[in-house]
Amino acid sequence: DGGITQSPKYLFRKEGQNVTLSCEQNLNHDAMYWYRQDPGQGLRLIYYSQIVNDFQKGDIAEGYSVSREKKESFPLTVTSAQKNPTAFYLCASSAQGYNQPQHFGDGTRLSIL
Amino acid sequence: DQQVKQNSPSLSVQEGRISILNCDYTNSMFDYFLWYKKYPAEGPTFLISISSIKDKNEDGRFTVFLNKSAKHLSLHIVPSQPGDSAVYFCGALGGGGADGLTFGKGTHLIIQP
Repeated sequence: DGGITQSPKYLFRKEGQNVTLSCEQNLNHDAMYWYRQDPGQGLRLIYYSQIVNDFQKGDIAEGYSVSREKKESFPLTVTSAQKNPTAFYLCASSAQGYNQPQHFGDGTRLSIL
Repeated sequence: DQQVKQNSPSLSVQEGRISILNCDYTNSMFDYFLWYKKYPAEGPTFLISISSIKDKNEDGRFTVFLNKSAKHLSLHIVPSQPGDSAVYFCGALGGGGADGLTFGKGTHLIIQP
């Protein structure tokens, strides 16, 4: 059954620690995306990747880093430089082509202890 | 500066009636629009899309209307069903920025029996 898997569903982090959120897809999609959702806010783009070994900053990339070593995987690292990391993080993927709809995972909720 | 606006945070509609969700945008470079539906603690699910060369797209109970001159689109759901209760996000592509979607803040649709 094809889809996008985000893990873990809930994640807790101590201040000053880096933490990595996993995103895996078996849809054979070229493009992958990370969004952040805050209460009362829409989804905001953090990073995106159109192809393996290439990625671009989105609207709110500061304090985050990504890698795209494999087509199926697009992990997001929330670094200690991210001043307000508590949020709901959503990963998405889409087939190649401008108007392809994005398919989302079920998200990871990150909280700071 | 919000480029995609959903000015109604919530909307309550009686079961069987029509639900109309509205979305306005400011960036005239947007040329593709998508609606997503989101249940709590899940990722958004793609519903329907429309290209800027069209003014209407229909898929079953869902119809999206686009008024380019007014920079306005709307999602019509008829008849509304209890399972339609969710948060609906309007997203836009092609704003000249990153390749990810620009989303509105969402409208919480509540279908009342």
